[in-house]
Amino acid sequence: EAGVTQFPSHSVIEKGQTVTLRCDPISGHDNLYWYRRVMGKEIKFLLHFVKESKQDESGMPNNRFLAERTGGTYSTLKVQPAELEDSGVYFCASSRTNRVVGTEAFFGQGTRLTVV
Amino acid sequence: GQNIDQPTEMTATEGAIVQINCTYQTSGFNGLFWYQQHAGEAPTFLSYNVLDGLEEKGRFSSFLSRSKGYSYLLLKELQMKDSASYLCAVGGSNDYKLSFGAGTTVTVRA
Repeated sequence: EAGVTQFPSHSVIEKGQTVTLRCDPISGHDNLYWYRRVMGKEIKFLLHFVKESKQDESGMPNNRFLAERTGGTYSTLKVQPAELEDSGVYFCASSRTNRVVGTEAFFGQGTRLTVV
Repeated sequence: GQNIDQPTEMTATEGAIVQINCTYQTSGFNGLFWYQQHAGEAPTFLSYNVLDGLEEKGRFSSFLSRSKGYSYLLLKELQMKDSASYLCAVGGSNDYKLSFGAGTTVTVRA
């Protein structure tokens, strides 16, 4: 079974540019989560999809961030325009059930975003 | 809010035992997780505690005391491959969401 895959693994962009991160969850997992780790800080929740619907986007930093999951399969996270403080590692996770509590959540390797 | 504390770094010798402590203060509690993360790789699940006590899984054990807001991860018979970051995470009242500590970097030396 393929794991959660994220693309790209690294991205370096200039302040003001746009970047789109992609996450392919494990096949059959309806629940998809985005998390972010900025330098020296802990991993923080951004949002949660159930299929194509946003269940909780309380962790999204501001309206420069837009997440989509059209068709309920892969998801994209767009940052537009990017700012220096957006640099960090963006993780995606997926789970079959609507509960990450337990053993069901699987994480991707992350996308390291550097804004210069 | 969530407040999860764990040491930043620990160093131990191959074959030894290391205990990583984690204290938490969270709004709601639906279990405590430990994840292992090697540099550049995905966090991988190690253990889950929702009741007080010790859960043992091979060389790794995890303990929870809900009344004290305290957990530890015990790594026995350390191997070089155990050098990694260990993340303590709590499932809060919304049990689809994890709150993480900053992670403990464990370095195993020969």
